[in-house]
Amino acid sequence: QVQLVQSGAEVKKPGASVRLSCKTSGYTFSGYAVHWVRQAPGQRLEWMAWIHPGIGNTQYSQKFKGRLTTTRDTSATTVYMDLTSLRSEDTAVYYCARMVGAVTDYFDKWGQGTLVTVSS
Amino acid sequence: DIQMTQSPSSLSASVGDRVTITCRASQNIRRDLNWYQQKPGEAPKVLIYAASTLQSGVPSRFSGSGSGTDFTLTISSLQPEDFATYFCQQSHSTLTFGGGTKVEIK
Repeated sequence: QVQLVQSGAEVKKPGASVRLSCKTSGYTFSGYAVHWVRQAPGQRLEWMAWIHPGIGNTQYSQKFKGRLTTTRDTSATTVYMDLTSLRSEDTAVYYCARMVGAVTDYFDKWGQGTLVTVSS
Repeated sequence: DIQMTQSPSSLSASVGDRVTITCRASQNIRRDLNWYQQKPGEAPKVLIYAASTLQSGVPSRFSGSGSGTDFTLTISSLQPEDFATYFCQQSHSTLTFGGGTKVEIK
């Protein structure tokens, strides 16, 4: 079955960087875009970036440009997200999610989420 | 970016009630609108995509309607497992989400 399994919780100091992973299984890795979405406490979900594992194309929200990079390891069927220059406002649960769709695009599978806490 | 406004932000209902949640887009998104359910500590789960198509495995008491800027999610007869937060998401352009509607037990 399709699964996206994310790495564990992280605690970082302001100014640090964090790398999250999203291990996928149960489907053709190169066939579907994987997105990163985050949810800060009490806030709505916020789209951050996507990567198409097959060709490596990426797109980033303007809000994170310059601080955010998403990459993939096709042999490991894993997608990564690197976020630099962390600040307290980056404290959130970060999700990876697979996007599918013919009529319209939607997320059919999500990772379990990774809590990132940024605190001095 | 397209702004998505959901209402109400929360509601109290009883088992068996009919529940309606609305989502309004700041511009025409045709039918590029999806609905998700999220329970505390869990990842979201898609219920409806393309405004009105029920995701495989989702109970038929969930339905969606609308096009353009105004959309509705309806739960025809609320069940105990439906107490959760629901949110909309548009995929017409840069993805954005509604603020969520928390459905609580009356």
